[in-house]
Amino acid sequence: GDSVTQMEGPVTLSEEAFLTINCTYTATGYPSLFWYVQYPGEGLQLLLKATKADDKGSNKGFEATYRKETTSFHLEKGSVQVSDSAVYFCALSDRGGGTSYGKLTFGQGTILTVHP
Amino acid sequence: EAEVAQSPRYKITEKSQAVAFWCDPISGHATLYWYRQILGQGPELLVQFQDESVVDDSQLPKDRFSAERLKGVDSTLKIQPAELGDSAMYLCASSFLETGAYEQFFGPGTRLTVL
Repeated sequence: GDSVTQMEGPVTLSEEAFLTINCTYTATGYPSLFWYVQYPGEGLQLLLKATKADDKGSNKGFEATYRKETTSFHLEKGSVQVSDSAVYFCALSDRGGGTSYGKLTFGQGTILTVHP
Repeated sequence: EAEVAQSPRYKITEKSQAVAFWCDPISGHATLYWYRQILGQGPELLVQFQDESVVDDSQLPKDRFSAERLKGVDSTLKIQPAELGDSAMYLCASSFLETGAYEQFFGPGTRLTVL
């Protein structure tokens, strides 16, 4: 079945440091890939997405590129802020239709803490 | 901005009791999902509806869990009887269609504690 593996956390950085959170996946077919963010006590919010190989998703200074050859979707940000402290989840979704229904398969999450 | 609504936000119950969670998706979203998130892990799908029909409940513990979406709008997830291992965050999400290109919008979740 489909699976997502994220780098082990937690990750602790100083403000303005460079961030990378690694994500690799296993899937049949050609999934869509997502990064979700979860702030304390809240539900998940979509951060960015990519729906086909070589697509780059970007939002709020975060970027991730869909790499089919390495089955990866690493999250990067050039300069993190204290407000970026949260839990980040990598996820994939099959395309839906036919016998599949587009459910999300999540990684285990990476806790990011940014200090001033 | 349209949001997915869930209630209650927090629920504390004793084992063997019944609990129910409610979700109201974004208007016009045909697909509704219930996920369970155990502390320190990513969410896992419990059940997925397309309109009022269940299209995936393969991971739903059907001996104690049930879900319905009678009019294809809001949905209720029930646990009876609750067990200690059911303590988790229960998240509801909705999307316009079930295809992977469409974003799933998540509600704030219901945190369940079973004592």
